[in-house]
Amino acid sequence: GAGVSQSPSNKVTEKGKDVELRCDPISGHTALYWYRQSLGQGLEFLIYFQGNSAPDKSGLPSDRFSAERTGGSVSTLTIQRTQQEDSAVYLCASIRAGARTDTQYFGPGTRLTVL
Amino acid sequence: DAKTTQPPSMDCAEGRAANLPCNHSTISGNEYVYWYRQIHSQGPQYIIHGLKNNETNEMASLIITEDRKSSTLILPHATLRDTAVYYCIVRVGSGGSNYKLTFGKGTLLTVNP
Repeated sequence: GAGVSQSPSNKVTEKGKDVELRCDPISGHTALYWYRQSLGQGLEFLIYFQGNSAPDKSGLPSDRFSAERTGGSVSTLTIQRTQQEDSAVYLCASIRAGARTDTQYFGPGTRLTVL
Repeated sequence: DAKTTQPPSMDCAEGRAANLPCNHSTISGNEYVYWYRQIHSQGPQYIIHGLKNNETNEMASLIITEDRKSSTLILPHATLRDTAVYYCIVRVGSGGSNYKLTFGKGTLLTVNP
């Protein structure tokens, strides 16, 4: 079946510009995460959506970062006034809720480069 | 979540079994062992998880010792495409809860032709 998809796969932008990253989770998955991974580093949690509950935004590094999830499916991560330190791979993962244990299925990521 | 220890790197010949160890001596009774991997330039990929019984799926087998203080991920017939960093994670499993996945350094498995 179809996995998690993300777009664009690569994004190069200039410092100060806004960017939008999109995540299409696996159909029927009710939970969704955004992470980012800098070169050679581990995963950094950004935000978590679960059904209709208020999202957990505790990982967003600054108020330039925001995310929404429309209709409980597609999610968009927006970074305003991008900085060079925002350069990273942004990963989205979805989870089939209600399972005995949860496992996170990741998309291929969006590689963001801020010049 | 309990801490895990993995060797930084391992090599395996193509077609042979790859056995990746993980120590988790402080694991609690309700914590599961999860394995993920990350192939270069790709997102992480869930492989398998288990509580105390050995588990097998289409990707791998997971052998957990009786005292649950260590486990081994087995790729029965490694291919070049299995070259990746493999992460062993221990956590309480509960569907739908907010779990912020974090990886340690993992084991870089290199499958050689």
